[in-house]
Amino acid sequence: DAGVTQSPTHLIKTRGQQVTLRCSPKSGHDTVSWYQQALGQGPQFIFQYYEEEERQRGNFPDRFSGHQFPNYSSELNVNALLLGDSALYLCASSLTGTGGFIEQYFGPGTRLTVT
Amino acid sequence: AQTVTQSQPEMSVQEAETVTLSCTYDTSESDYYLFWYKQPPSRQMILVIRQEAYKQQNATENRFSVNFQKAAKSFSLKISDSQLGDAAMYFCAYSTNTDKLIFGTGTRLQVFP
Repeated sequence: DAGVTQSPTHLIKTRGQQVTLRCSPKSGHDTVSWYQQALGQGPQFIFQYYEEEERQRGNFPDRFSGHQFPNYSSELNVNALLLGDSALYLCASSLTGTGGFIEQYFGPGTRLTVT
Repeated sequence: AQTVTQSQPEMSVQEAETVTLSCTYDTSESDYYLFWYKQPPSRQMILVIRQEAYKQQNATENRFSVNFQKAAKSFSLKISDSQLGDAAMYFCAYSTNTDKLIFGTGTRLQVFP
């Protein structure tokens, strides 16, 4: 049973460029959440996708956008990259609607460096 | 707004000894979950233990246990019989389920042989 996978592992971009990160959820999961983890900090919630729609959003600018596909995989897009966008981007998947505790399973992350 | 605070940036412990990591949180909700996650150098966040706020009994998972003090909004993690493989960043986190996780800033745990 494959866990959460993310691609690419590492990425280097130039300030002002655009980037797309990808996430495939754990088999059977239908919900994907994205987190940004700056160096030396805890992860910060960006947004969550369920049924191909953004269900919740954290305190991130509109430069951060996402998408969920019918197979539940998801993309995170960041436009007009800033140096401060350099971080580890974590994807977490879960299954909505089962009742009780819902565990989020994390992927290994994508390390984005903006120069 | 909910917040999670970890006041110990780094902790160290000798192998086979016991260590306690501290966490405090703030919320006005009555129903919520608290978690401890481990993030080794491989970067993958691993759930160590969780506590439901409505449960008075402290959660235990093998060598890991918590001390949940709801009135004090305190949630500490005790690691017994520490092993070299326990060395990692540990994050305390809060959630109201189906909801985003709110993380603290983490505690780096070093384990010495």
